[in-house]
Amino acid sequence: GAVVSQHPSRVICKSGTSVKIECRSLDFQATTMFWYRQFPKQSLMLMATSNEGSKATYEQGVEKDKFLINHASLTLSTLTVTSAHPEDSSFYICSARDVQGIMETQYFGPGTRLLVL
Amino acid sequence: DAKTTQPPSMDCAEGRAANLPCNHSTISGNEYVYWYRQIHSQGPQYIIHGLKNNETNEMASLIITEDRKSSTLILPHATLRDTAVYYCIVPSANSKLTFGKGITLSVRP
Repeated sequence: GAVVSQHPSRVICKSGTSVKIECRSLDFQATTMFWYRQFPKQSLMLMATSNEGSKATYEQGVEKDKFLINHASLTLSTLTVTSAHPEDSSFYICSARDVQGIMETQYFGPGTRLLVL
Repeated sequence: DAKTTQPPSMDCAEGRAANLPCNHSTISGNEYVYWYRQIHSQGPQYIIHGLKNNETNEMASLIITEDRKSSTLILPHATLRDTAVYYCIVPSANSKLTFGKGITLSVRP
């Protein structure tokens, strides 16, 4: 299957700082990527849809000014958690949509574990 | 959007087939069924997807009933590394994936 990478794999930061997470599709181009968040013992929750060359669309309850998304190329989307607080500590996972004709499949990155102190 | 229901958990013996069921009774004619799994502390891994025909790849087989209201993911020879949460998902029209609780498969030695 196609490969999606994320960087960093884990990050610890102080409260009030900003953290940027990168999501890359390594062997395919993705006009659409998705960002999820997963708290312990819970399932993945979709945060936003990242569209190459246009604004991201956010799910209800997700603050767009706090979670900044940039999808500047067909292989890279970034999520910046601004002014991070301890409650933002979570496992952040991206996926990239691979379209082959009428078939499409989302491939996921390995996740980024964020700990805000 | 078609919802899916899965039992919360099941286990099987190593080397035996694991048959994971999923109900998707409200699926429409052009909606696919996708299966992913998540091993602890990793991102979800794509397994397989199908529309109405049975599908097989190097990881698993997907059996879809004729009325398409349910499907079964089959891992033919389960190993300890197959212990994971398995998600059966019918994407929405805008490709969004909604992850439910999935089914936790425990493979015992």
